[in-house]
Amino acid sequence: EAGVVQSPRYKIIEKKQPVAFWCNPISGHNTLYWYLQNLGQGPELLIRYENEEAVDDSQLPKDRFSAERLKGVDSTLKIQPAELGDSAVYLCASSLASGGASDVQETQYFGPGTRLLVL
Amino acid sequence: RKEVEQDPGPFNVPEGATVAFNCTYSNSASQSFFWYRQDCRKEPKLLMSVYSSGNEDGRFTAQLNRASQYISLLIRDSKLSDSATYLCVVTRPGFDMRFGAGTRLTVKP
Repeated sequence: EAGVVQSPRYKIIEKKQPVAFWCNPISGHNTLYWYLQNLGQGPELLIRYENEEAVDDSQLPKDRFSAERLKGVDSTLKIQPAELGDSAVYLCASSLASGGASDVQETQYFGPGTRLLVL
Repeated sequence: RKEVEQDPGPFNVPEGATVAFNCTYSNSASQSFFWYRQDCRKEPKLLMSVYSSGNEDGRFTAQLNRASQYISLLIRDSKLSDSATYLCVVTRPGFDMRFGAGTRLTVKP
C-alpha cells in the first residue's frame, strides 16, 4: 500500500516569493495533518483536516499561510510571501480517524516531508 | 514551559546496553500516548503506543504514570540500528497532538 506522498521533496526560494506544497494521504484516511518541523525540534501542528473541513487551524499563521483540502483527499499548503524564518521541513501526515478513536485509528503516518530553504 | 518535555540527549551507548528515556507532559487531561522514532532526515514513524498497564514490544518497553504525568521508554540490548531520535507524543481531548522535541540516541559498536 502506498504511503503518504508529498511533493516537492526540496524547495529553495527567495524571500517574499510564494511556495506551495502538495500532499496525497493514504487511501481511506479521513484525517490529514500539516506539521512544521525545525531542526532539533519535534513536529508542530499547523492544521488538521477531517475530510475537507479544517477542524484545527489555530496554529496556522493565517497572514501568510493557507491550506486547502478539496474533495477531502489531496491537500495543498501555501506560503505567500515566504520569510527567512519559514525555512523548515513541512510534514504531511494522515490517519484513519481522530478525536477519541482507538489508538490504531489515531496512528499518524507521515510523508517524507518537503525541505524548504528561504534565501 | 513546553507541554511535552524530553531530555534532548544525546545518549551515547554501546551495543547491548539498556537505555531509558523519560518524557513528562503538563496537561492532565491528556488521553493517548505514543513513542515515535525519527531517523536522520526522515519522517517520524510510530514505534509503539503507551498504555496505562505498560506494554512491551520485543526489546522495547513503554510505561505510563498518569499520576506523575510521566512516560518512559526502555530499550534493552541496544542495536546499532536503534540509533535515531525518539519522540514522545501526547494527545489531548479533541485530539490535539503534541510532540516532544525528541531524545537522540546513538548506539556505538
